[in-house]
Amino acid sequence: QSALTQPPSASGSPGQSVTISCTGTSSDVGGYNHVSWYQQHPGKAPKLIIYEVTKRPSGVPDRFSGSKSGNTASLTVSGLQAEDEADYYCSSYTSSNTLIFGGGTKLTVL
Amino acid sequence: QVQLVQSGAEVKKPGASVKVSCKASGYTFTTYDISWVRQATGQGLEWMGWMNPDSTNTGYAQKFQGRVTLTWDTSISTAYMELTSLTSEDTAVYYCARFPRHQLARHDYWGQGSLVTVSS
Repeated sequence: QSALTQPPSASGSPGQSVTISCTGTSSDVGGYNHVSWYQQHPGKAPKLIIYEVTKRPSGVPDRFSGSKSGNTASLTVSGLQAEDEADYYCSSYTSSNTLIFGGGTKLTVL
Repeated sequence: QVQLVQSGAEVKKPGASVKVSCKASGYTFTTYDISWVRQATGQGLEWMGWMNPDSTNTGYAQKFQGRVTLTWDTSISTAYMELTSLTSEDTAVYYCARFPRHQLARHDYWGQGSLVTVSS
């Protein structure tokens, strides 16, 4: 099964908003609300920032928000800060009872 | 506090096997499931499989079927991932991560990663 499709890169200036997309199929993103987003800084383990499409774990700033329409999920980072510069990965449960990740998006804060 | 502490770096020759451990603390080991995820240098995350330490249930990504085995020892709250027939393509950092039962996409705590290098 191919990875979910994410843009390789995204960028924005401090204070701006940026949205990262994650496109799958009706067998994964479109079929379930089990879509999550992870933030990964260089040399570190991934960190969960969004789960079940829109929910934020405790401690994650509300500048991070998630949504979904059809087979595409999106992560929006509002009020960009320097520390938001990282790689972002989406993931989804699939109809095969497996998990699939996106290819990752490198977010640059200009 | 919840922690997943993994075993150290390994160097293996092509054709060999590797077994990585993941010791859980700060929660009841059998109340959460565990996934294994790998990441080659400069590449994305790749899910390998999951295990339910409260049962015999496991599940594997099709790519790794027959080559990866997930086991665990509840008496020491430790999960293991064994990968066989290693090639250079298996050089990567391997992570364990826990998730609430039936919420496979929600990995809330991750291990620090274990680097496996496959080289002749």
